[in-house]
Amino acid sequence: GAGVSQSPSNKVTEKGKDVELRCDPISGHTALYWYRQSLGQGLEFLIYFQGNSAPDKSGLPSDRFSAERTGGSVSTLTIQRTQQEDSAVYLCASSPISSGPGRFFGPGTRLTVL
Amino acid sequence: DAKTTQPNSMESNEEEPVHLPCNHSTISGTDYIHWYRQLPSQGPEYVIHGLTSNVNNRMASLAIAEDRKSSTLILHRATLRDAAVYYCILGEGGSNYKLTFGKGTLLTVNP
Repeated sequence: GAGVSQSPSNKVTEKGKDVELRCDPISGHTALYWYRQSLGQGLEFLIYFQGNSAPDKSGLPSDRFSAERTGGSVSTLTIQRTQQEDSAVYLCASSPISSGPGRFFGPGTRLTVL
Repeated sequence: DAKTTQPNSMESNEEEPVHLPCNHSTISGTDYIHWYRQLPSQGPEYVIHGLTSNVNNRMASLAIAEDRKSSTLILHRATLRDAAVYYCILGEGGSNYKLTFGKGTLLTVNP
């Protein structure tokens, strides 16, 4: 079956522009997670959705970052007024339930802010 | 945050067993131990998880110390496709939803 998909795979933008990153989770997965991975670093938790609600937004680095999920499916991570330090790979994962051990990760979106 | 300590890198030869260690001395009673791996240019991939007892699946085995302060991921016969960064992670608290990834262990497999 289809795995987690993310689009675009690569995004190059200029400092100050807004970007939207999309995640399509595995069908039927109620939990969805966003992480980011800077070059040579581990994964940094950003936000977690259970259904359409986000019980934990604690990892969002600033108020320039926001995320939403609609219909218990697709999620969009929006970064406003991008900065160079936002450059990273943004990874989305889904799981059948929030406390389940298996996270299924997408291939990520590589964001480069010039 | 619950923390784990792993070696930065390890090396193995193809078709030999690999034992990847992880220390988690501050683990709490409800924390699961999760292992993921990340192949180059890919998202992480779930490998295995456990709470107290040793676990086996088609990918690997997980050996958990009796005091749960350490664990070892065992790849029984390494292949070149097992070359990856391996992450040992504690699922925090009863919900276990928040997995904090560290820098992991870079495993190199020599032909």
